[in-house]
Amino acid sequence: AQSVTQLGSHVSVSEGALVLLRCNYSSSVPPYLFWYVQYPNQGLQLLLKYTTGATLVKGINGFEAEFKKSETSFHLTKPSAHMSDAAEYFCAVTGRGNTPLVFGKGTRLSVIA
Amino acid sequence: GAGVSQSPSNKVTEKGKDVELRCDPISGHTALYWYRQRLGQGLEFLIYFQGNSAPDKSGLPSDRFSAERTGESVSTLTIQRTQQEDSAVYLCASSLDRDDYGYTFGSGTRLTVV
Repeated sequence: AQSVTQLGSHVSVSEGALVLLRCNYSSSVPPYLFWYVQYPNQGLQLLLKYTTGATLVKGINGFEAEFKKSETSFHLTKPSAHMSDAAEYFCAVTGRGNTPLVFGKGTRLSVIA
Repeated sequence: GAGVSQSPSNKVTEKGKDVELRCDPISGHTALYWYRQRLGQGLEFLIYFQGNSAPDKSGLPSDRFSAERTGESVSTLTIQRTQQEDSAVYLCASSLDRDDYGYTFGSGTRLTVV
């Protein structure tokens, strides 16, 4: 079984500051990890995913995440926040051969001018 | 189609009525998923289809909830005798197959039970 914990239901950063959204997972099998973004009144959009290979994964809009097995973490970062990054971000996990994705409760990112 | 289409986008219904929510996945996507998103909560898995069969119905909250899929295309989620706690956004997603985890989500149906 898999589960995801997202630390912080709401994160607020200044425009141009570092964005760090935290995600810790639990999985009994090697995990596949995902970050999705949800803009207001829209469906979820895949930002990036880790399945195998390189543990630092780059996604769209300048976001990246690093899989750290020893810390069971998959934190999402962006060096410089933009106003358009304001949205809800969801971390998700599954295992190979397992379906469906298990999602965290989400973190709402606010960007202050 | 180009994306996952859900209808209606909004539905207000009276407690005790039945509702049907529709999902039209991307053409060629064999896997289809239903999730529920309550206010301030994460996504709660309801059911998924591989083709027209539903290997995992474990997330359906009660026997008032049912879903079907025909022709490896459109899926319908039916909620009978709606209750106020059913109020939520119901999201549908599709993927090429069960081993493709790059889900494409629809914009959802916002259900309000009054």
